[in-house]
Amino acid sequence: QVQLQESGPGLVKPSETLSLTCTVSGYSISSGYYWGWIRQPPGKGLEWIGSIYHSGSTYYNPSLKSRVTISVDTSKNQFSLKLSSVTAADTAVYYCARVLAARNFDYWGQGTLVTVSS
Amino acid sequence: QSVLTQPPSVSGAPGQRVTISCTGSSSNIGAGYDVHWYQQLPGTAPKLLIYGNNNRPSGVPDRFSGSKSGTSASLAITGLQAEDEADYYCQSYDSSLSGFWVFGGGTKLTVL
Repeated sequence: QVQLQESGPGLVKPSETLSLTCTVSGYSISSGYYWGWIRQPPGKGLEWIGSIYHSGSTYYNPSLKSRVTISVDTSKNQFSLKLSSVTAADTAVYYCARVLAARNFDYWGQGTLVTVSS
Repeated sequence: QSVLTQPPSVSGAPGQRVTISCTGSSSNIGAGYDVHWYQQLPGTAPKLLIYGNNNRPSGVPDRFSGSKSGTSASLAITGLQAEDEADYYCQSYDSSLSGFWVFGGGTKLTVL
């Protein structure tokens, strides 16, 4: 069974960098597929942040592209998200997920709430 | 403002049939990209409900079905049950700019 687990600080100060890691178990990232980050502000809908292939090629949401970096560490079976210059608008539950060839997300992590506040 | 447009809310009585629409454009649904649907129960992560327009993952009841036509797609739920009360999101891929994944704004289903 494929499982994903997000980890990282739950509180980030404005203007700093949000950093999260997604640890995958039950499947080797290096075997293929894209891996993605999605977020959901409190009471709002889902927003795709970006996706990365096991080889390292990336796609980013155009509205966040200037602040986002997604990387992969196949040796640890993890992929990570960095979002710079955060503001209160970046407060959200952040999910990691596996992306299938049909470009849908089949396995999701449980999500982690990140609050941006001083 | 989401790239894919969904009604904010729909409702129905137990046993009834409801549909949720998802309207896109020529750069996403209309370009032939598949539409997928997710169910999000309160306080939980989204769950894949329909993939590839009309396919159900193992374990999803056949009360749930999807369709796609032109620049729009729909999710139908028949024999509505109390446990179907949740938020539903459509998702596709958009080929504009350098390509990106897109979600609808979500629809809250209330079982009366």
